[in-house]
Amino acid sequence: SQTIHQWPATLVQPVGSPLSLECTVEGTSNPNLYWYRQAAGRGLQLLFYSVGIGQISSEVPQNLSASRPQDRQFILSSKKLLLSDSGFYLCAWSEDTDPTDTQYFGPGTRLTVL
Amino acid sequence: GQSLEQPSEVTAVEGAIVQINCTYQTSGFYGLSWYQQHDGGAPTFLSYNGLDGLEETGRFSSFLSRSDSYGYLLLQELQMKDSASYFCADRDPGRRALTFGSGTRLQVQP
Repeated sequence: SQTIHQWPATLVQPVGSPLSLECTVEGTSNPNLYWYRQAAGRGLQLLFYSVGIGQISSEVPQNLSASRPQDRQFILSSKKLLLSDSGFYLCAWSEDTDPTDTQYFGPGTRLTVL
Repeated sequence: GQSLEQPSEVTAVEGAIVQINCTYQTSGFYGLSWYQQHDGGAPTFLSYNGLDGLEETGRFSSFLSRSDSYGYLLLQELQMKDSASYFCADRDPGRRALTFGSGTRLQVQP
């Protein structure tokens, strides 16, 4: 069966510090991968998605970037965090062959920027 | 672009039936999905409607009308554990991604 891992679960970082969040998927090949951010009590904002190694589509221009160095690894980074980067970050995957793009989410990382 | 609208909050009592509506405006439409998210948790997939009509999964059912650009999630025999946020989502044409509605917070009261 497929599993998705995200770490860390919680993170408190000062403004201006760098960020690296990692997501890995097990039990599937060539998944589509996604990074979302969710503000408290709000909906899901798609940040990046990837259909293959090295293929990244950016949805929202901001100080975040994403990379996919391996088939089942997706990394979200920032060189300098802003207060507005606080939120709940969710990684998700979908089957490449699934036309419905049903997404399976990781447990999330709760980021607080102070 | 894609736009999905849902009520922000719905309240119901245990054992009752509740319907959460979703209307959409999209440049292309593939189908409507529903996800459930408990406070502090990650969203989980509930159902998908690719064709018009009703899909039933246990106590949950989902309906789609393409001609009306409308769908709903029906929850029967409500339980306290059903208190959560519910999101409808549509797959975007031309890219492998979903657009989510803003979510409906369901509160089940005893």
